[in-house]
Amino acid sequence: DAGVIQSPRHEVTEMGQEVTLRCKPISGHDYLFWYRQTMMRGLELLIYFNNNVPIDDSGMPEDRFSAKMPNASFSTLKIQPSEPRDSAVYFCASSLNPLYGGYTFGSGTRLTVV
Amino acid sequence: GQQVMQIPQYQHVQEGEDFTTYCNSSTTLSNIQWYKQRPGGHPVFLIQLVKSGEVKKQKRLTFQFGEAKKNSSLHITATQTTDVGTYFCAGPRAYKYIFGTGTRLKVLA
Repeated sequence: DAGVIQSPRHEVTEMGQEVTLRCKPISGHDYLFWYRQTMMRGLELLIYFNNNVPIDDSGMPEDRFSAKMPNASFSTLKIQPSEPRDSAVYFCASSLNPLYGGYTFGSGTRLTVV
Repeated sequence: GQQVMQIPQYQHVQEGEDFTTYCNSSTTLSNIQWYKQRPGGHPVFLIQLVKSGEVKKQKRLTFQFGEAKKNSSLHITATQTTDVGTYFCAGPRAYKYIFGTGTRLKVLA
């Protein structure tokens, strides 16, 4: 298995632009998580899905952020409009059962908003 | 809400020295997980502890879960340059995990 695949690896965009981050989880993993990592705030959970259904989006910062999982093999995290404070590394992770065996993280998308 | 704190925040050791990071939760945990993130990389799952007082070893790494299940530690014996990175503990809240603040380890050759 190729693991969790995220794209793009790097994204530089101007303030106000729409940004879409993509994730392909490991096949058969029913849980998908989006995390954001910054030096100041560490690893923060934004949202997670179970069987393509959003379960907990309490970590989504504000209405500018949205996430979808249209099928078991694809998820997107969208920021519209983007702001400089959104600059961070965004990780997607998937798991068969988070309570046993942990998450498998993707390589992340480093987002820079200028 | 649930908080998971780690100390120290940073640790520089000479190669061959031992290293320990401590993880403390404000609430009792059903289990705890540990991850390692290399510089520029992504977190990688290392291990999960479930039982009170549990101790698990992976080569030079020893993981321990406290008796009260509110704290945990990771000890590395005779560090090597390959141990460089940030070590995170993570505690569950339902099916999601809250990550600790991390301990960044630097090993000086």
